[in-house]
Amino acid sequence: RKEVEQDPGPFNVPEGATVAFNCTYSNSASQSFFWYRQDCRKEPKLLMSVYSSGNEDGRFTAQLNRASQYISLLIRDSKLSDSATYLCVVNMGKYNFNKFYFGSGTKLNVKP
Amino acid sequence: EAGVAQSPRYKIIEKRQSVAFWCNPISGHATLYWYQQILGQGPKLLIQFQNNGVVDDSQLPKDRFSAERLKGVDSTLKIQPAKLEDSAVYLCASSRLGDSNEQFFGPGTRLTVL
Repeated sequence: RKEVEQDPGPFNVPEGATVAFNCTYSNSASQSFFWYRQDCRKEPKLLMSVYSSGNEDGRFTAQLNRASQYISLLIRDSKLSDSATYLCVVNMGKYNFNKFYFGSGTKLNVKP
Repeated sequence: EAGVAQSPRYKIIEKRQSVAFWCNPISGHATLYWYQQILGQGPKLLIQFQNNGVVDDSQLPKDRFSAERLKGVDSTLKIQPAKLEDSAVYLCASSRLGDSNEQFFGPGTRLTVL
């Protein structure tokens, strides 16, 4: 089993749609969680961290369910510019050391 | 603030040749990561430095890959000899010491092994 698993998609949605991605992770002791965005042939960039209480940034909402070991990302009112691959990242390091595991990414295509 | 710099951006070599990549992290970032990203997959950690010491190289194919970070700043990653399956993007990232949050990535080096 992979440490972090995501549905690769693609998710093809019209502009204005709401879309949700899930990600599961294997290590129940994982410290921290993130969603990164990666545009085609570009480097990953942090979209948002995922907190236990859930967090929202504009049209983006991230949730963490530790009991079920999954993370979700909800995008409301999708824009063409949201088309990208969304990477789920889990820090499974111990003590003061980070050890980041990436999912394979979920591809989103927002169409006019 | 200047970002993570990497060079070269592209490299094409034949199998069994050697290649080296260079990374200059963001100033003041003690932790440096090298990732391999194969097409269609997420980045996979190869090696992680904290200052000039290795903290994790468990997924580095040590028979052909090596990396160093002299003086705790710049880093080089070398492959010798290269195999076809090494074709990938090699990403360098850095983060502040003790910060479990954001990694900043460089633009990557796209390696093609023929």
